[in-house]
Amino acid sequence: AQSVAQPEDQVNVAEGNPLTVKCTYSVSGNPYLFWYVQYPNRGLQFLLKYITGDNLVKGSYGFEAEFNKSQTSFHLKKPSALVSDSALYFCAVRDASGGSYIPTFGRGTSLIVHP
Amino acid sequence: EPEVTQTPSHQVTQMGQEVILRCVPISNHLYFYWYRQILGQKVEFLVSFYNNEISEKSEIFDDQFSVERPDGSNFTLKIRSTKLEDSAMYFCASSESLGGGSQETQYFGPGTRLLVL
Repeated sequence: AQSVAQPEDQVNVAEGNPLTVKCTYSVSGNPYLFWYVQYPNRGLQFLLKYITGDNLVKGSYGFEAEFNKSQTSFHLKKPSALVSDSALYFCAVRDASGGSYIPTFGRGTSLIVHP
Repeated sequence: EPEVTQTPSHQVTQMGQEVILRCVPISNHLYFYWYRQILGQKVEFLVSFYNNEISEKSEIFDDQFSVERPDGSNFTLKIRSTKLEDSAMYFCASSESLGGGSQETQYFGPGTRLLVL
C-alpha cells in the first residue's frame, strides 16, 4: 500500500524568508514522489519529481525538494518566498514496486506568503 | 507549451441528470486519467485509460460513471445519473507513458466544476 501525509494544513511565511512544506510517505518498495501546486480555481500544475538519482531535486519557479529515505520524507523548499507562491501544494507518491501506476495525493498544504 | 484542456469550466445540473465532461489531452500522450476533488478535500483518483480500455479504476468509479475516447483527441467522463455528492471539481490528466522516468508525469487540465442541485 502507498500513502502520503502532509502534516500541516497551512504554512505561513513572510516574503523573502525561506519556506518548507512538509511531506512524508509510506510505500513497500521504492517511491516515486511528486509535488504539484494548485492556484485558486486552477488545475494542478506539476512542480518537480523524484524518481531516482540525486536526492535534491530542482523544479519550477525556484522550488526544490529533498528526498530523505531514512526519514521517508520529501519536503518542498524555496530559499526566498514570493507572495505569488501563495497556493495549495500537493505531495504525491507512487510505489514503484506496486501493481498500480496511480499516485496517491496528500490532502494539500495551503501556503500563505505575507508581504 | 502543450496543455490539457477541459470543457466546460463550470456545469450546473439537476440531480438524476446525465452530464458529460470533456477533455483534450496533450497530443502525444497515451495515458489518460480522471480525478475529482470535493471542495476542501484531497484529490481522488477515478479512472485511468489506455489503448481504448480502462487500465485502473477506484472504488468511486462505479456503474454510474463511464469513460470514452470518441475520436483521436477527446476523452470524456460521463456520469449517468448525477447525485448531490457528485458535486466536485473534476480534473483530467494525461501522461506520455508509464513505468518511471519523465514520461510518467501526469499533466492536469484546469478542471470542470460540477454542481448538482
